[in-house]
Amino acid sequence: QKEVEQNSGPLSVPEGAIASLNCTYSDRGSQSFFWYRQYSGKSPELIMSIYSNGDKEDGRFTAQLNKASQYVSLLIRDSQPSDSATYLCAVLNDYKLSFGAGTTVTVRA
Amino acid sequence: DAMVIQNPRYQVTQFGKPVTLSCSQTLNHNVMYWYQQKSSQAPKLLFHYYDKDFNNEADTPDNFQSRRPNTSFCFLDIRSPGLGDAAMYLCATSIAGGPTGELFFGEGSRLTVL
Repeated sequence: QKEVEQNSGPLSVPEGAIASLNCTYSDRGSQSFFWYRQYSGKSPELIMSIYSNGDKEDGRFTAQLNKASQYVSLLIRDSQPSDSATYLCAVLNDYKLSFGAGTTVTVRA
Repeated sequence: DAMVIQNPRYQVTQFGKPVTLSCSQTLNHNVMYWYQQKSSQAPKLLFHYYDKDFNNEADTPDNFQSRRPNTSFCFLDIRSPGLGDAAMYLCATSIAGGPTGELFFGEGSRLTVL
């Protein structure tokens, strides 16, 4: 079983719509959870972090964490063409970060 | 200002010719990591340093080695690159036990093997 799994995508959404990304993880002891955005050929860029159950909002991004279900999600509201990228879910155990394979999002103008 | 700097950004080598990638940081973080990311795949942790202590992932090939001569610098050595080693190599740093656990990434070094 992979440590971090994401819905495989690709995900295509029209401009202005909501993009919904999901992630599950296997280690119940995981402490911190992150969403990174990665443009083609570039390194990952942190866009959201979440540490406790519930929702966390930052601008157009909302992260949700449910530790009982071992589930993390990311919502992108009012999607823009500049949001077109691969989104990586990452889970921290001790001080090592494990990544999912990513979901590629394309926002259609 | 860049805080984690990787050099070179692009490296082309021949099959079997050793390669060294470098990473420097101005953050004074005690943990440094090397990840390998192949096309359309998740970044995969190769090894990390906790201060001077080297930690190798179990499935990291022997062909890959690392050095950390001081807090600021870390090197990735690929002794005999094969075609399968073509990838983006990402260096990252963090503060172990820090409030967020966030990793700070460099811009990556893209390796091409001919």
